[in-house]
Amino acid sequence: GAGVSQSPSNKVTEKGKDVELRCDPISGHTALYWYRQSLGQGLEFLIYFQGNSAPDKSGLPSDRFSAERTGGSVSTLTIQRTQQEDSAVYLCASSLRGGVTEAFFGQGTRLTVV
Amino acid sequence: GQSLEQPSEVTAVEGAIVQINCTYQTSGFYGLSWYQQHDGGAPTFLSYNALDGLEETGRFSSFLSRSDSYGYLLLQELQMKDSASYFCAVRSSGNTGKLIFGQGTTLQVKP
Repeated sequence: GAGVSQSPSNKVTEKGKDVELRCDPISGHTALYWYRQSLGQGLEFLIYFQGNSAPDKSGLPSDRFSAERTGGSVSTLTIQRTQQEDSAVYLCASSLRGGVTEAFFGQGTRLTVV
Repeated sequence: GQSLEQPSEVTAVEGAIVQINCTYQTSGFYGLSWYQQHDGGAPTFLSYNALDGLEETGRFSSFLSRSDSYGYLLLQELQMKDSASYFCAVRSSGNTGKLIFGQGTTLQVKP
């Protein structure tokens, strides 16, 4: 596609439920990043993919968070047993390759845990 | 570890010039980037400095001093549409390509 696509755009879930957030990067981009942004805050790094492997997953807040990438393209961020503190906007970005300074962001998924 | 500091808010009037500073602490340094984010929107890339000096792109310029671990974004001829949050970011050291972002500076442009 023309840009980074994320779905759903909004998700409301009950505490304790699992959620899956999807990211479709720009075609041909080998690097993919997940960030979390709470209201009025900066971008908190979660995980970085180069191809299908994740050389850096140091930002995942707990073992309830996991992510995978398949076919060097689509990525899914899964949050198990959601908690209210997980409420935030989850942003995905891609770049041509790792280390390239220009990353292209999707519009994000706004997650609300009630 | 890596950290970046920037002011939380800046206010300026239309037509003025504003400078947003960023200081960083990193174990390695691979360049300083700037991103703009309008309320409710996605961050978009503005500029990148790998070497010391000033990079100009239209009304926006970005400066880097590696010896001072300092950079700034300069916005000239401010327009109302420039009201947004501005983030500086550095690429992490090592062999990963992740970008570490500052907390962002909210710029409010007033008429």
